[in-house]
Amino acid sequence: DGGITQSPKYLFRKEGQNVTLSCEQNLNHDAMYWYRQDPGQGLRLIYYSQIVNDFQKGDIAEGYSVSREKKESFPLTVTSAQKNPTAFYLCASIGTSGGSSYNEQFFGPGTRLTVL
Amino acid sequence: AQSVAQPEDQVNVAEGNPLTVKCTYSVSGNPYLFWYVQYPNRGLQFLLKYITGDNLVKGSYGFEAEFNKSQTSFHLKKPSALVSDSALYFCAVRDFDTGGFKTIFGAGTRLFVKA
Repeated sequence: DGGITQSPKYLFRKEGQNVTLSCEQNLNHDAMYWYRQDPGQGLRLIYYSQIVNDFQKGDIAEGYSVSREKKESFPLTVTSAQKNPTAFYLCASIGTSGGSSYNEQFFGPGTRLTVL
Repeated sequence: AQSVAQPEDQVNVAEGNPLTVKCTYSVSGNPYLFWYVQYPNRGLQFLLKYITGDNLVKGSYGFEAEFNKSQTSFHLKKPSALVSDSALYFCAVRDFDTGGFKTIFGAGTRLFVKA
């Protein structure tokens, strides 16, 4: 998990609340990602950002929002519009020197969100 | 569309025996393939990748993977399994349909190594 921190590790949300998950990296990576992991399923991409002040929707962006004001930070907000937010959320980054296509992703330790 | 499949939800192997975790892929060009491992309640860790060159790729913790273009496979292997290898393993392919910034992950294969 080196170089990427996620907080909190566990998060509980009541129905109708927005919550923000933190992701910080000190790897000097340009590209950052948010994934959702549900039991028995692979990782599904929520949002990604190739560069500061720019981000794109992934496959399951509805009910989520992000910002990328700093290179090191890519927070994810789970809004009340997300109907089934209980899941394990993973943040990742890729170094883009030499071409991002060749490089592996570095992952944070994850945040487990539970809706009460 | 690019895709990756892991046909086995679970693989069971005895400690000391060789292990194989299977992966097949479908891409429109040259495949950039990756294996990651996930321990409980942790993020994914990179094991190895195939970009080009030798079909046998060596990675972390004694793992290796064999790229087979004709069978469109990238199976993960280890000659002698350890109990500590028990984890969830993901095969992944870089998605060039979207410029190479996205990665497509398989559903994962849970490996159980019995002492």
